[in-house]
Amino acid sequence: EPEVTQTPSHQVTQMGQEVILRCVPISNHLYFYWYRQILGQKVEFLVSFYNNEISEKSEIFDDQFSVERPDGSNFTLKIRSTKLEDSAMYFCASITGQIASEAFFGQGTRLTVV
Amino acid sequence: DQQVKQNSPSLSVQEGRISILNCDYTNSMFDYFLWYKKYPAEGPTFLISISSIKDKNEDGRFTVFLNKSAKHLSLHIVPSQPGDSAVYFCGVGTYKYIFGTGTRLKVLA
Repeated sequence: EPEVTQTPSHQVTQMGQEVILRCVPISNHLYFYWYRQILGQKVEFLVSFYNNEISEKSEIFDDQFSVERPDGSNFTLKIRSTKLEDSAMYFCASITGQIASEAFFGQGTRLTVV
Repeated sequence: DQQVKQNSPSLSVQEGRISILNCDYTNSMFDYFLWYKKYPAEGPTFLISISSIKDKNEDGRFTVFLNKSAKHLSLHIVPSQPGDSAVYFCGVGTYKYIFGTGTRLKVLA
């Protein structure tokens, strides 16, 4: 069964450092997403990406965050100048783009900012 | 403002009984509804879905009910098994999904 893969599974970083979270979506999917879940809280939408550009983003996704798909396969989330409150599980998801299609999630990257 | 609410953060059910997980949403324009299951340290996995043109969808032990007028959906698991113990998220949308905060289900053996 096709799957979305995320690396690394756990990332520890110093406050103020930049991190890049990587995702390989399912190959024929067209829409890509990043979500995050702070421990004990809800799963929150960060950003959606379609046709090599951001299609929608939440209030959380400010200038500290950026996404790109540099090589047509990897989909990355960059967090600049990390803060303690960025500590969370970050999930990548991809969807075929057909209406009512299921979202496939990766296993997540646990980011710990110390 | 929360567009999707799962008001019960946790639920405990005896093995073999029915588990009912609830989800309320505010936007009547949503037309596709999904349930995801999440085990600790894993990503959410798709469980079952329903579109707005239906009011019920069944897949084995899992049934999702949609009440559009009440903007309410529920997931029924019958019979509940210990392996069903997980966090269940409802997601609503079409291309982009908004998720609830999750309900932690514990099925007691």
